[in-house]
Amino acid sequence: ELKVEQNPLFLSMQEGKNYTIYCNYSTTSDRLYWYRQDPGKSLESLFVLLSNGAVKQEGRLMASLDTKARLSTLHITAAVHDLSATYFCAVRPSIIQGAQKLVFGQGTRLTINP
Amino acid sequence: DVKVTQSSRYLVKRTGEKVFLECVQDMDHENMFWYRQDPGLGLRLIYFSYDVKMKEKGDIPEGYSVSREKKERFSLILESASTNQTSMYLCASSLLRIQETQYFGPGTRLLVL
Repeated sequence: ELKVEQNPLFLSMQEGKNYTIYCNYSTTSDRLYWYRQDPGKSLESLFVLLSNGAVKQEGRLMASLDTKARLSTLHITAAVHDLSATYFCAVRPSIIQGAQKLVFGQGTRLTINP
Repeated sequence: DVKVTQSSRYLVKRTGEKVFLECVQDMDHENMFWYRQDPGLGLRLIYFSYDVKMKEKGDIPEGYSVSREKKERFSLILESASTNQTSMYLCASSLLRIQETQYFGPGTRLLVL
């Protein structure tokens, strides 16, 4: 059974600082997704990582995937208040008759203080 | 722009009631999903569907059923609501291609008294 674990679960940081959120998963997979959720809102897709060594960047966020270590990281550079949200990683364990079943981590609640 | 809509943002029901949650997507996606979201547990998959009239159990299907009579619509049914089904329910859809991300609706916050 695939398990996905994020750490930390809560993160409070100052504007301008750098930090990394980690996503570990327990079985082989080569599809990993990062989502953002603002309070009271639904999930918004940030990145789709499709292969070992994949790196994607959007603004101050950069995501990478190491399938051998079963690890993805979401790196925040020079954080700004607007990045405060909960971040989820999700892993696809297998294709079942064409559907794209995902297993989600617990989420990391990020608070960026001025 | 992909749009996934859910019939209600907030619902209050009583224990034992039958509850219907509706989800509609307008992008002709083959796959549709129902999740529940609880603090500290992330999102857990209840049911999914990859085609009309097709459904598959997710990780926590007990106490729920689903219906997909049309491609754009996926309904979640709580046959007899219980207090432990108080949660945020999120619907999502995606294309059949395996690398495609899922697009989420706004969520329905259900309170069962």
